[in-house]
Amino acid sequence: AQSVSQHNHHVILSEAASLELGCNYSYGGTVNLFWYVQYPGQHLQLLLKYFSGDPLVKGIKGFEAEFIKSKFSFNLRKPSVQWSDTAEYFCAVNAHGGSQGNLIFGKGTKLSVKP
Amino acid sequence: DAGVTQSPTHLIKTRGQHVTLRCSPISGHKSVSWYQQVLGQGPQFIFQYYEKEERGRGNFPDRFSARQFPNYSSELNVNALLLGDSALYLCASSSLRRDTQYFGPGTRLTVL
Repeated sequence: AQSVSQHNHHVILSEAASLELGCNYSYGGTVNLFWYVQYPGQHLQLLLKYFSGDPLVKGIKGFEAEFIKSKFSFNLRKPSVQWSDTAEYFCAVNAHGGSQGNLIFGKGTKLSVKP
Repeated sequence: DAGVTQSPTHLIKTRGQHVTLRCSPISGHKSVSWYQQVLGQGPQFIFQYYEKEERGRGNFPDRFSARQFPNYSSELNVNALLLGDSALYLCASSSLRRDTQYFGPGTRLTVL
């Protein structure tokens, strides 16, 4: 079965530190890839997405992610985090061999940024 | 523009009861998907509806059903509620069947 793994359950950083959150998926075919963010008390919001083309995609609020097909990875990065980045981050995959509306989510990574 | 809206926000039911959750997609979006999110997990796919037809179903029992109306709003129904059905139920809409999904705030269901 298709699955998404997020390696870190909880990450704690100080402001200005660099961030990298890992995401790996298990599916050999074509995929669409997403990172969603859930700020405290708010609903899931799209951070960035990859459908095709340049494997380095830029999202909102200075986030970027790189799709490495050979590693089945789509890691999220930000060079300098802010206290306002405290949130839960979810990686999601839509596999072209599966149901078109089916996003497969990882378990999420909670990011806490200390001021 | 209004985003995806869901009602009610919170709901408390007892075991064995039935529940109906409602979702209105972003204007112009024809696809609605439903997800269940239990505490500490990522959302799990339940259904997708596109142009009023079921286009995908996740690994959920037949107690779960849904439908989409001509105005593209949707209902999720759960019969014979179990304690394990307690979760946040999310609705997401997209303009096409395989496209970026935008999520609503969810309905928090508690089954006692």
